[in-house]
Amino acid sequence: SQTIHQWPATLVQPVGSPLSLECTVEGTSNPNLYWYRQAAGRGLQLLFYSVGIGQISSEVPQNLSASRPQDRQFILSSKKLLLSDSGFYLCAWSHSLRQPQHFGDGTRLSIL
Amino acid sequence: TQLLEQSPQFLSIQEGENLTVYCNSSSVFSSLQWYRQEPGEGPVLLVTVVTGGEVKKLKRLTFQFGDARKDSSLHITAAQPGDTGLYLCAGPKGNDMRFGAGTRLTVKP
Repeated sequence: SQTIHQWPATLVQPVGSPLSLECTVEGTSNPNLYWYRQAAGRGLQLLFYSVGIGQISSEVPQNLSASRPQDRQFILSSKKLLLSDSGFYLCAWSHSLRQPQHFGDGTRLSIL
Repeated sequence: TQLLEQSPQFLSIQEGENLTVYCNSSSVFSSLQWYRQEPGEGPVLLVTVVTGGEVKKLKRLTFQFGDARKDSSLHITAAQPGDTGLYLCAGPKGNDMRFGAGTRLTVKP
């Protein structure tokens, strides 16, 4: 069966520091991968999605970037975090762009 | 404005009560999904509805897809505290999966 792992579960970072969140998927090949941000009590904002290695689509201009160095690995990064980057970050995968998505357990990011 | 509007935004009920939450759009969707998200966790897929008018049951949860495939409802019978969570609907549009803002349900014992 397929599983998705996302870490760390929580992270506290100072303003201006770099960020690296990692997500890996097991049990499937060539998945579509997604990064979302969820503000408190709100729905999901799609940040990036990837349909293959090295292929990244950005949905919202921002302080963040994403990379897919391997088929089942998706990384969310920032060179300098802003206070507004605080939130709950979710990684997800699906078989195709229009198929249901399967989510990791999320990373709670707090910027001080 | 959201492509998928969910109502109510918040709902607090007593254990044993019945409830219905809604997911509405002015657009037609080829399918809609419902997810439940518990605090501090990622959303978990509950069901996908594909055919207009389709009804799917998952224990005490009944999901319905509107005839015109623009809306969906989730009915919970005899709600339990374990049903507490954020219920999200989502549907594919273009190359995206669009999510509603969710209904936050609290079931009090």
